[in-house]
Amino acid sequence: SQQGEEDPQALSIQEGENATMNCSYKTSINNLQWYRQNSGRGLVHLILIRSNEREKHSGRLRVTLDTSKKSSSLLITASRAADTASYFCATDGGGNTPLVFGKGTRLSVIA
Amino acid sequence: GAGVSQSPSNKVTEKGKDVELRCDPISGHTALYWYRQSLGQGLEFLIYFQGNSAPDKSGLPSDRFSAERTGGSVSTLTIQRTQQEDSAVYLCASSGRWSTDTQYFGPGTRLTVL
Repeated sequence: SQQGEEDPQALSIQEGENATMNCSYKTSINNLQWYRQNSGRGLVHLILIRSNEREKHSGRLRVTLDTSKKSSSLLITASRAADTASYFCATDGGGNTPLVFGKGTRLSVIA
Repeated sequence: GAGVSQSPSNKVTEKGKDVELRCDPISGHTALYWYRQSLGQGLEFLIYFQGNSAPDKSGLPSDRFSAERTGGSVSTLTIQRTQQEDSAVYLCASSGRWSTDTQYFGPGTRLTVL
């Protein structure tokens, strides 16, 4: 069964606003990763947060991880039209197993 | 250095024909993955290689799908007797040593079966 599930499925905001996407998963993990995809092509890695970390920042991105709730959130601050893309969370199964990707959140940032 | 490359970028084929998709991972990456993504959907895991061996083939949808990797580098995904439902973007990714490492994706091959 799918490990990570993003919420919402789609999100539309105005440029300059913040965008928050959530990911829930089912089993224990080593780490959780967020990826971005433009136009249905290859994914680009954004950020990795380890199971013993609670929050991580990278530029305008902020990721939180709550292992007790088995959930993570990705916050994009001061969004830009160029942030329009699909965002996926990916989790491992706690061992050396391949990452499992959720179905993604489609973010539209309107200029 | 060069990223993950895939060829062809687009492939149109007729139902019943065989197709071969190629993936060139980042040099030195031991792990290689194939995914399938239908329009507007998430990634469907197909197969994973560690070196030349495939410890996880659980995602291959049918026996028409096969993949191999030679020399711990290039991988080919073969689909025999293609069906219209095989139409999708096929994505390849590679990562360092462990399957939980960050994955680097190629641009994908868009397969259309008429």
